[in-house]
Amino acid sequence: EVQLVQSGAEVKKPGESLKISCKGSGYSFTSYWIGWVRQMPGKGLEWMGIIYPGDSDTRYSPSFQGQVTISADKSISTAYLQWSSLKASDTAMYYCAIAAAGTWYFDLWGRGTLVTVSS
Amino acid sequence: NFMLTQPHSVSESPGKTVTISCTRSSGSIASNYVQWYQQRPGSSPTTVIYEDNQRPSGVPDRFSGSIDSSSNSASLTISGLKTEDEADYYCQSYDSSNHWVFGGGTKLTVL
Repeated sequence: EVQLVQSGAEVKKPGESLKISCKGSGYSFTSYWIGWVRQMPGKGLEWMGIIYPGDSDTRYSPSFQGQVTISADKSISTAYLQWSSLKASDTAMYYCAIAAAGTWYFDLWGRGTLVTVSS
Repeated sequence: NFMLTQPHSVSESPGKTVTISCTRSSGSIASNYVQWYQQRPGSSPTTVIYEDNQRPSGVPDRFSGSIDSSSNSASLTISGLKTEDEADYYCQSYDSSNHWVFGGGTKLTVL
C-alpha cells in the first residue's frame, strides 16, 4: 500500500526552528516528486515547493523561497520541510503529497502536520 | 507567475448539475494541464480530475473536466449531485519551470 506518513503536530514559539517530516512507503521513493502544501486556518491550499529525491532537484514557490527549506533523505525515504525562525503567521496545516515523474498532479496526500506558533 | 481564479462558493440541489470555473490570469489555459482536487472538511485533498479531463480510478463518472480556450478557463462539472459531494474544490496548474499554482478554492454546498 502506498503511504505518506507525516510527523505529529507541533507547538512552537516565535523564533524557534522546526523540521517536519513525510515518510513514503509502498512506492519507488526516488521516482516521485514530493511537494509541500500549506493550508492556513479556514483558508485555501498554497503550493510551497517540490523536490525530486532522485536527484534533489527542488523548486520553490516565489512566496516561500527563502522562508523554508525542502529536503529529502532517500536512504530513509523521507522528505522534510524546515524553518529556521518561525513566525505566528506560519501557523497552519502542512501537507506533503506525491506526483509521479512526468506528471503535474498529486497522486496521494499525507494526513497533514498541524504547526501552531504562539508565544 | 499566473493566478487561477475560482468562485468563492456555489450551491445546488441534490440530483442537479453544477459547474465550477477556474480562470487563468496569464498564459494559455491549454498550455499546461489543469487538475481538480476535492477536500472534505477535516480531510486531506484527493484528486477528482487530472490532466484537464481524466478521472482517477474510483472517481465516479459524474465528475468531468474541460477547458475553454476562448475564456481561458477550466471547468469541473458534477452531475447528479449527492450530499457527499459537498466539499471544497481546488483547481491546480503549473508553469514551464515546474512551479505549481492552486486556485483559491470553491465551497460547494448541496442543499
